[in-house]
Amino acid sequence: DAGVIQSPRHEVTEMGQEVTLRCKLISGHNSLFWYRQTMMRGLELLIYFNNNVPIDDSGMPEDRFSAKMPNASFSTLKIQPSEPRDSAVYFCASSLDRGSQETQYFGPGTRLLVL
Amino acid sequence: AQRVTQPEKLLSVFKGAPVELKCNYSYSGSPELFWYVQYSRQRLQLLLRHISRESIKGFTADLNKGETSFHLKKPFAQEEDSAMYYCALFSGGYNKLIFGAGTRLAVHP
Repeated sequence: DAGVIQSPRHEVTEMGQEVTLRCKLISGHNSLFWYRQTMMRGLELLIYFNNNVPIDDSGMPEDRFSAKMPNASFSTLKIQPSEPRDSAVYFCASSLDRGSQETQYFGPGTRLLVL
Repeated sequence: AQRVTQPEKLLSVFKGAPVELKCNYSYSGSPELFWYVQYSRQRLQLLLRHISRESIKGFTADLNKGETSFHLKKPFAQEEDSAMYYCALFSGGYNKLIFGAGTRLAVHP
């Protein structure tokens, strides 16, 4: 298994443009997490899904951010319109939902730069 | 409120020196805590969990409920330990983790 796969790995865009980040879960995992990493705030949980259902989106910064899980193995995080302050590394992670000790497996991240 | 605090953004030590990365938490129930590590150009990955009472790569962490701490320790730092370290608290239900802001450990030769 290649682990959690994210695309693109790097994205440079201009303010106002739509950005779509993609994530493929590890086969068999049923929990999916989107995080944002910045120097100032560290690692912040944006939203997480369990069995394709969004459970907690309280970390989503604004209505400009939306996330979907159209099937059990794939998720997207969309920013529309993007702003320079959205520049960060975005990680997704997946795990099994079998209790508190399940490890979260992280993807390589998407480095986003909004000019 | 559930919170994880890592007071140091950067910890810089020389090779062979002891290391202690601080982590304090705020949680009303019985806490379950983890340390995750991100080496340069690698994915964030689990280092250890308190329930296992394990030593990984020479690192240990003891849960101190009285001080609400879960500090990560290693007696003799190595250059390959240089990385970003995140302390995380399990928040209950669906494996939600609350991460601290992270501490960058730099081990100099």
